[in-house]
Amino acid sequence: QQPVQSPQAVILREGEDAVINCSSSKALYSVHWYRQKHGEAPVFLMILLKGGEQKGHDKISASFNEKKQQSSLYLTASQLSYSGTYFCGTEERFGNEKLTFGTGTRLTIIP
Amino acid sequence: EAGVTQFPSHSVIEKGQTVTLRCDPISGHDNLYWYRRVMGKEIKFLLHFVKESKQDESGMPNNRFLAERTGGTYSTLKVQPAELEDSGVYFCASSQEGWETQYFGPGTRLLVL
Repeated sequence: QQPVQSPQAVILREGEDAVINCSSSKALYSVHWYRQKHGEAPVFLMILLKGGEQKGHDKISASFNEKKQQSSLYLTASQLSYSGTYFCGTEERFGNEKLTFGTGTRLTIIP
Repeated sequence: EAGVTQFPSHSVIEKGQTVTLRCDPISGHDNLYWYRRVMGKEIKFLLHFVKESKQDESGMPNNRFLAERTGGTYSTLKVQPAELEDSGVYFCASSQEGWETQYFGPGTRLLVL
């Protein structure tokens, strides 16, 4: 069963913050976050492994709560370039390797 | 370093015809994956190659779909005969090791009329 992402869509002004959530009904080994702009390849953002780690990358960070089986992506002081559709992909166990993706969250940043 | 490339970028065919999609992974990546996104839905896994061997093909919808990776380099995905519900964007991804980051190609947009 696919993970559930929320919100489905969000519109922000440049400089505002956003949080995108990804929840699974199954225990997870890892969560992978991607951003896709229309007509382009999904671009890898980060991987989080079980253990409840948190990662940061410029103004984009993410957390993974293994017990709650959910991950959140945090976008701080959003820039126009952050616009796109964000997908979480989950891996249920080490070596499972295939990713199960959520339905995506469309983020639009306006000036 | 070149990324994952896919050909063609778009394909429009009639129901019943055959289409072959090609994916060239990043050089040196043994793992190659095919995914598909049908309009408005999530990206779904189709299959996974390790070199030339099919590691997992649990996501292949039916026997109209045939994937090959001869020589462990590029891969092809053939749909024969195509049906209306096969329309969507077909993505290819590759990774060096199975547990590492999967790098995606731009996708092939398939429209079956």
